[in-house]
Order: sequence, then structure tokens, then C-alpha cells
Amino acid sequence: DTGVSQNPRHKITKRGQNVTFRCDPISEHNRLYWYRQTLGQGPEFLTYFQNEAQLEKSRLLSDRFSAERPKGSFSTLEIQRTEQGDSAMYLCASTGSGNEQYFGPGTRLTVT
Amino acid sequence: GDSVTQMEGPVTLSEEAFLTINCTYTATGYPSLFWYVQYPGEGLQLLLKATKADDKGSNKGFEATYRKETTSFHLEKGSVQVSDSAVYFCALTLGSNYKLTFGKGTLLTVNP
Repeated sequence: DTGVSQNPRHKITKRGQNVTFRCDPISEHNRLYWYRQTLGQGPEFLTYFQNEAQLEKSRLLSDRFSAERPKGSFSTLEIQRTEQGDSAMYLCASTGSGNEQYFGPGTRLTVT
Repeated sequence: GDSVTQMEGPVTLSEEAFLTINCTYTATGYPSLFWYVQYPGEGLQLLLKATKADDKGSNKGFEATYRKETTSFHLEKGSVQVSDSAVYFCALTLGSNYKLTFGKGTLLTVNP
């Protein structure tokens, strides 16, 4: 068990560009979560999947954000037409049968 | 909506001092409660949890008791070490989606 992994760890992009992040959960964990954390704040829920089904999306997830988990394993989070306000740490977590979530190291996005 | 309020930091202590970080919550039902820790440059790690009233979670010398009557889950440690320096997050989940609602975090610095 290698834990939750996220790639890339850091991403710098120009305003208006599209970016995509990847999360690989702990194997056999059927639930996968995305959160966003800005400086000095706690993580905020964005969306979650049970297997390949996206079951809930936060109001924070604007139309420019889309997430997928096509085969119920890894997940991607895409942000289109990035804005400076999208600069944050994007965290992924997974859980199996219990309610304990295991977090990856995060992807830090900087929009210039 | 559900929310978590933590004492504001930063908290600065000397090694071997007693630690308390206050956490209170607002929820429409009976949540599960968690403390997560984020060491410098690392991802969030689950420190301890409690799933029902009067449960005590404990790990690495840290303890927290789920108090329904005061809607609190205060984190305590009898003797802190320099290695405990980190940001501590109180969080809750409610319902079958298990999404976490976090407090803003409390930065703890322990000096030798």
C-alpha cells in the first residue's frame, strides 16, 4: 500500500489556460474525494466519487471545473480557463469501507 | 449548514508543556469527529477520531473526547515535543457521503 498519490505536485500556469490534475487512490478504495485548500484555511469539499459515479458536487465547483473517475480507479480534476482565484492546494483523499479518509500530498496550483 | 470552529492560532509552547486546542461544531445530526495533522511540507494525516458521544480518540499521546452536551472535541496532549509542531485541523462528517467539513486549522509551534 503506497498511499494516495497526486500528480503533479506543483503546477504554474497562466490565466486562461487549462490544467488537469491526477489522483491515484489507495488500491481497492471505492470512494475518492477532492478538496481545495487556500492559505490559512481548512480544506473545502469539492466533489466525490463512489467507484466511477460522481455522487456529489459542491457549489464551489463552477462550470469550469470537471472531475472524472472513468474506471473507478484514478481520478482527474480539470480546470478550464483558469483564473487567479483558482490558485490553491488541491487535495485528493480516498476511503474504503470506513469513514477515515486518507489524503494525498496535494497539487499546488499557481495561476499567474 | 454543518461547521467547525477552532481556536485561532498560532499557539506557541515550550517543550513538555500541556496542550489544548479547542474545537466546537455545529451539525444537524450526530457527526463523527476527527483531528487531522499537517506537518510542514506533508499531506494531511489522520491523528484520531471519535464516532459517538463520550468516545475518546487517542493516538501518539494526543486525546480528544466527543462531548455532545457542549458540541466539542478539544485536542489535548500532556507533554508536547518539538516534533509536534504542525497545523492541526478539527473536522466532522455527517451522513453516508462521509465528506469532511474542516475548521480553519491551528498552527502549533513547540520550542525546545
